[in-house]
Amino acid sequence: DIQLTQSPSTLSASVGDRVTITCRASQSISTWLAWYQQQPGKAPKLLIYKASSLQSGVPSRFSGSGSGTEFTLNINSLQPDDFATYYCQQYNSHSPWTFGQGTKVEIK
Amino acid sequence: QITLQESGPTLVKPTQTLTLTCTYSGFSLSSDTVGVGWFRQPPGMALEWLAFIHWNGDRRYSPSLKTRLTIAKDPSRNQVVLTMTNMDSVDTATYFCARGTTDFDYWGRGTLVTVSS
Repeated sequence: DIQLTQSPSTLSASVGDRVTITCRASQSISTWLAWYQQQPGKAPKLLIYKASSLQSGVPSRFSGSGSGTEFTLNINSLQPDDFATYYCQQYNSHSPWTFGQGTKVEIK
Repeated sequence: QITLQESGPTLVKPTQTLTLTCTYSGFSLSSDTVGVGWFRQPPGMALEWLAFIHWNGDRRYSPSLKTRLTIAKDPSRNQVVLTMTNMDSVDTATYFCARGTTDFDYWGRGTLVTVSS
């Protein structure tokens, strides 16, 4: 199985901050990586697909980058609605659909 | 408008079989090149993928759970059904269905299933 490791597990930030979350894959997944945001008690929301493509309707302050085994999610100018938990998810035809353990972005 | 909604029991006993139904609208599982996946999330824990069925009938299962899972689709009723056998307390979780292929763009709200005697 392909493992995804996110860092940090928890991140304390303030409104207006720029935050970066990292996701590392145990083997190369090319750009088959997605990022989701999950608010408490809600379903995940797709933010980024194919490592860097912004999902329709998602604010442009969210961006993704990376390929191979290292990926990042950046949030520019953090907004109150952005305090949530973020998950990366990979797709590989031999070991499909695994998630990272999540990164909680909390208010400093 | 694309929607998905999970339904099924909220409480099951250990060793019982869980059957969950995902009823979807706004897309077709007989012609659109998408699929439906099932996921779960134990309280306070991360998301876990369980099973996936593609529009062409291709099925995939989580290796750690494949002996307990069956996924099937009924496009005439716009439904995807997941069965999980031999339920245990560690299977207590919120179960989600979602539309997608390599990633998932529409999700149901989820249904909490508690396993307890």
